[in-house]
Amino acid sequence: EVQLVQSGAEVKKPGESLRISCKGSGYRFTNYWISWVRQMPGKGLEWMATIDPSDPNDSHTKYSPSLQGHVTISVDRSISTAYLHWSSLKASDTAMYYCARWREWTHTNEYYFDYWGQGTLVTVSS
Amino acid sequence: EIVLTQSPGTLSLSPGERTTLSCRASQSVSSSYLAWYQQKPGQAPRLLIYGASSRATGIPDRFSGSGSGTDFTLTISRLEPEDFAVYYCQQYGSSLLFGGGTRVEIK
Repeated sequence: EVQLVQSGAEVKKPGESLRISCKGSGYRFTNYWISWVRQMPGKGLEWMATIDPSDPNDSHTKYSPSLQGHVTISVDRSISTAYLHWSSLKASDTAMYYCARWREWTHTNEYYFDYWGQGTLVTVSS
Repeated sequence: EIVLTQSPGTLSLSPGERTTLSCRASQSVSSSYLAWYQQKPGQAPRLLIYGASSRATGIPDRFSGSGSGTDFTLTISRLEPEDFAVYYCQQYGSSLLFGGGTRVEIK
């Protein structure tokens, strides 16, 4: 059974750093890109970043233009885990964060998020 | 940059009714790259439709998707109590993008 299990809720202060995680199981982790999706309180879904876990240099990454430079996506292939990292949190980073597996099968024209983590709630408040 | 606009923002409907949700793109989008998701309170989104019109595994046939170019629709033929949720369209291109969502609430 495919599962994405995320780390637990976090409460942080502005300016602090944070790394949240997403562990994949039940499939070959390097075969599917992983993305992070933000959902601010009462708002819609917002794609943040995507990474190709098969790339040993973590160079195959894409970021939303509005978020690039503020967050970093990475993976540890040895433990099938993706991460989202902030070096300096802002109050506006308060949100639920989901990781999701991206399915891209060009031969059958399938392009979508097929599995999602349960979400990690991040609260940033002084 | 493509913008996805979903309308209406909220639909107030009764179980058993039929409804159509709209997703309009600011530029033409390949149908292959258009998906719909359902999100219930406190839950992660769930894939409903991919490739604009293909139902995901396990999705009831009361859900259907259609459209091409800049206009896409999600139709629920007969609302069941469990269908009251928020629905998002999503496009894949140079980046990934979600529409703002349509909330389907019980009237």
